[in-house]
Order: sequence, then structure tokens, then C-alpha cells
Amino acid sequence: KQEVTQIPAALSVPEGENLVLNCSFTDSAIYNLQWFRQDPGKGLTSLLLIQSSQREQTSGRLNASLDKSSGRSTLYIAASQPGDSATYLCAVTPGSNYQLIWGAGTKLIIKP
Amino acid sequence: DAGVIQSPRHEVTEMGQEVTLRCKPISGHDYLFWYRQTMMRGLELLIYFNNNVPIDDSGMPEDRFSAKMPNASFSTLKIQPSEPRDSAVYFCASSPPDRGNGYTFGSGTRLTVV
Repeated sequence: KQEVTQIPAALSVPEGENLVLNCSFTDSAIYNLQWFRQDPGKGLTSLLLIQSSQREQTSGRLNASLDKSSGRSTLYIAASQPGDSATYLCAVTPGSNYQLIWGAGTKLIIKP
Repeated sequence: DAGVIQSPRHEVTEMGQEVTLRCKPISGHDYLFWYRQTMMRGLELLIYFNNNVPIDDSGMPEDRFSAKMPNASFSTLKIQPSEPRDSAVYFCASSPPDRGNGYTFGSGTRLTVV
């Protein structure tokens, strides 16, 4: 059974720092992995999608990497800003079906 | 495209009442998903449709919950009768036929049953 874990559960850093959020999954047979952002009381916004054949994806200050063999993905945020404060969730699509398997999220606070 | 549209944004109802949540997926997306999010359980998949046909409803908690997709542009999630433990945020998401393009979520409906 696929399980997704995100560490740490919460992270607080000063503005301007570069930071890394971690996501691990137990079954390497995934179709893709997606990183989402959720602001308090809001919906989920897709940030980056990495296909199983890809190693990384970049969008602006965000870079997501994927190492299928080790069951890991990281989300790198460069030059963090207070507006980056949110909960970040990763989710994998298993190779066998269409459902998303979710991590519990990392709550990120960027202090001005 | 306006994205996935859900209504209402907020719903407060009394226990025992019927609640209907609505979703309009992105045009051309063949897959539609209903999720529930609570602090205790996180995101839970309730049911998903492909081409308007329910594929997996194993996440629907009880017979009080039902979902329909009468056409490609509209889906409903109904709770009858509602109970306080149904209070949660309910999200609808859609995805194109090629699942490699990922999911798009609606803004959610925050349901409070008192």
C-alpha cells in the first residue's frame, strides 16, 4: 500500500532563506508526483507536477525534484518571502490507478 | 477557463437537513473527484467519475452520502440527512483524460452542520 510522508510537519524560517521541503513515498511505481499549496481557509493550488520519467521541474523560485528509486521528492524554495507562508502538500498518482495519495503536509511560516 | 467552480462557498445547516454541494469541472476534463478535508483525517477521496460514470465510491462514508454526474459539466454531492460530524471542507477536482497533466481543484465548500 502506497504511503506518503512529509517532513517536517511545520517549519518556520526568516524571510530570504532558501529552504527544502521533503516528501517520501513507499512504492516507487508512481505515475507522477504533484506539489500543492494551500492557504488557510482556501483551496489547493497546483505548484509543480513531475512525471515519473522526469528528475525535476522548475517554476520561478520553486524547484521540485524526484528520485523514484529512493522514493523521495523535494520542493526547494529560493529566497523565501512572507507570501510563501502556507501548507505545502505532495501527492502521488500510483501507477495502477487514478487516485492521488496524499502526504499530511508541511506548514510553512516565513517570518518578515 | 474559469477553473473548477464549486458552490456554495459556505453552507451552514441544521442536523437532519439535506445538503447539496455543486461542482462544475473544467471543460474537456474527463475525470471528476470529490474530496473531504478535516483537521483529523486530512484529505479523503470520496468518489470519482470518468466520463460521468462513477468509478470508485469506496470512500463515501455512509449511505447518507450520494453523488451524481448527470453530464460532463456538472456534478453534485448530496448528504441526507446531515450530521455534525459531516462538517468539513468539501473539494471538487477535475483532470484531463491524460492523467499526466495533473489535477485542478476548486475552492471548496465549507460545510458546518449544527
